[in-house]
Amino acid sequence: AQSVTQPDIHITVSEGASLELRCNYSYGATPYLFWYVQSPGQGLQLLLKYFSGDTLVQGIKGFEAEFKRSQSSFNLRKPSVHWSDAAEYFCAVGFLNSGGGADGLTFGKGTHLIIQP
Amino acid sequence: GAVVSQHPSWVICKSGTSVKIECRSLDFQATTMFWYRQFPKQSLMLMATSNEGSKATYEQGVEKDKFLINHASLTLSTLTVTSAHPEDSSFYICSAREAGYQPQHFGDGTRLSIL
Repeated sequence: AQSVTQPDIHITVSEGASLELRCNYSYGATPYLFWYVQSPGQGLQLLLKYFSGDTLVQGIKGFEAEFKRSQSSFNLRKPSVHWSDAAEYFCAVGFLNSGGGADGLTFGKGTHLIIQP
Repeated sequence: GAVVSQHPSWVICKSGTSVKIECRSLDFQATTMFWYRQFPKQSLMLMATSNEGSKATYEQGVEKDKFLINHASLTLSTLTVTSAHPEDSSFYICSAREAGYQPQHFGDGTRLSIL
């Protein structure tokens, strides 16, 4: 079965500093990879996705992620964080079904990002 | 674009009652909708997948008779928690996607509290 690991439960970063959130997946084929952000009591907002092609993916809010097949990783980065980036971040993996779309997602446990002033 | 609306956002009800949660795609046709459950400070767990006009596919361990899912149109799916009990209290989130290589778009979730 597929699995997603986010090894960092909490990360604290100073405002203006760079950020990297780690994500590793376990799956036999190339998965479809996603990063979502969730504010308290809210749903999830898609930051970026990787389906194929260029392994460096640009997303919204200045985020990017790089797919590294050899490391089974899809780490999320941002060069300079803002206080508004404080939230829960989820990495997710989906799989192509016969209809051409990604099935229900398997989520990592999330990383809680804290921004220090 | 790609807005998913979920209603209600918060519901409190007595044990034994049934609760219906709606999930609507506002500006696209949702070929497939998904229902997730999230416990406090935990990740999302997929409960079921529904394709328009078909029966939902439930994940292992999810009671079909407890969580009734209807996906009658390309813009609406409903989750009915039947005879809800306190252990059903949770945050329920739906998502929807179009056909093809499209990501899922999530609603804002429904916080269900059973007294």
